[in-house]
Amino acid sequence: DIQMTQSPASLSASLEEIVTITCQASQNIGNWLAWYQQKPGKSPQLLIYGTTSLADGVPSRFSGSRSGTQYSLKISRLQVEDIGIYYCQQASSTPLTFGSGTKLEIK
Amino acid sequence: EVQLVESGGGLVKPGSSLKLSCVASGFTFSSYGMHWIRQAPKKGLEWIALIYYDSSNKYYADSVKGRFTISRDNSKNTLYLEMNSLRSEDTAMYYCAKMGSSGGLDWGQGVMVTVSS
Repeated sequence: DIQMTQSPASLSASLEEIVTITCQASQNIGNWLAWYQQKPGKSPQLLIYGTTSLADGVPSRFSGSRSGTQYSLKISRLQVEDIGIYYCQQASSTPLTFGSGTKLEIK
Repeated sequence: EVQLVESGGGLVKPGSSLKLSCVASGFTFSSYGMHWIRQAPKKGLEWIALIYYDSSNKYYADSVKGRFTISRDNSKNTLYLEMNSLRSEDTAMYYCAKMGSSGGLDWGQGVMVTVSS
């Protein structure tokens, strides 16, 4: 199975700050990487698919990138509504696997 | 707009069975693979099953293989998860999800399954 190592586990940042979350894949997954945001009591919402493509309705302050087998989600100017838990997910092969999540809070 | 509505959850005893349903709308259901993914309370996300658009292939996580069965009825735009021999560790929110471009998933709102004596 492909392991997705996500960091940090938690993050506290100020409004308007730049925030970066990373996921390291245990093997090559190409661009089969997605990012999700989950708010309390809600299902995960797709933010980024195919490593860099923004899902419909997602603000442009969210962006995704890749360097080798390391994938990053960047929030360029943190807003209050961005608090939640963020997950990466690889779709290169079954079983699909997820990162362990990053809890993002406002400082 | 993609809509996925799960149902069939509840409180059951260990060893019992349950069948979840997921009704899809807003897209051509028969053209897409579908997944079941679960999330134990206060825990992360665990993929458990995939079915191809035409039911030609099905895949399962080791944790549910032999106990759970994924199926679909394209005439009813409905995805199913039949769960047998339920254990306490199967307690979770169960989500159905539509396969999308480059691996991204669209999720339903989820249905809770609690296995407890």
